[in-house]
Amino acid sequence: DTGVSQNPRHKITKRGQNVTFRCDPISEHNRLYWYRQTLGQGPEFLTYFQNEAQLEKSRLLSDRFSAERPKGSFSTLEIQRTEQGDSAMYLCASSTDRVNTGELFFGEGSRLTVL
Amino acid sequence: GNSVTQMEGPVTLSEEAFLTINCTYTATGYPSLFWYVQYPGEGLQLLLKATKADDKGSNKGFEATYRKETTSFHLEKGSVQVSDSAVYFCALSSRGADGLTFGKGTHLIIQP
Repeated sequence: DTGVSQNPRHKITKRGQNVTFRCDPISEHNRLYWYRQTLGQGPEFLTYFQNEAQLEKSRLLSDRFSAERPKGSFSTLEIQRTEQGDSAMYLCASSTDRVNTGELFFGEGSRLTVL
Repeated sequence: GNSVTQMEGPVTLSEEAFLTINCTYTATGYPSLFWYVQYPGEGLQLLLKATKADDKGSNKGFEATYRKETTSFHLEKGSVQVSDSAVYFCALSSRGADGLTFGKGTHLIIQP
């Protein structure tokens, strides 16, 4: 399978714990995006990488959230001191083109449940 | 700021019915417009797009026309199939922006 891969697919944690999600994009894609989707809502943009550089961050990305993309390959999204409001599906997408002309390829997402 | 409004679901139709899912947007400048689809158990995938006014995007029998005067990008299909059952998301991207703004999604259910 050469699509976007996300792990773990589902994470259940207690409030206050830290969690980390991993995204492996399609290998030749230099652009990588993180989105968050809550029940009944569309995906909301969190952050964007071009190669290893984090070029844009949404105001939704509080100080408890950090994303990295070392060496411009896979990416991690870490949430520290989780809160119940962080419960959501976290989506990763990758592409080769600018978002306004190209196509984003999405993974199946990592679902976070904070108890 | 940018926003996308699409009709609430679920939308339930019989096979071979005509489909319209309404989408209107608010954006600065001239955004690009997209429809993404999410089939059960799968990630979102691009269905069609239009990058300038009056462009028509089309794919798999679906069509949508970029209407600047009405700020709309309605999705249509002449004859739906059970396999079209999915959640459909309208989205936009402003020039120079790096993220997509999505609508809330419309759940489409096609009955045999």
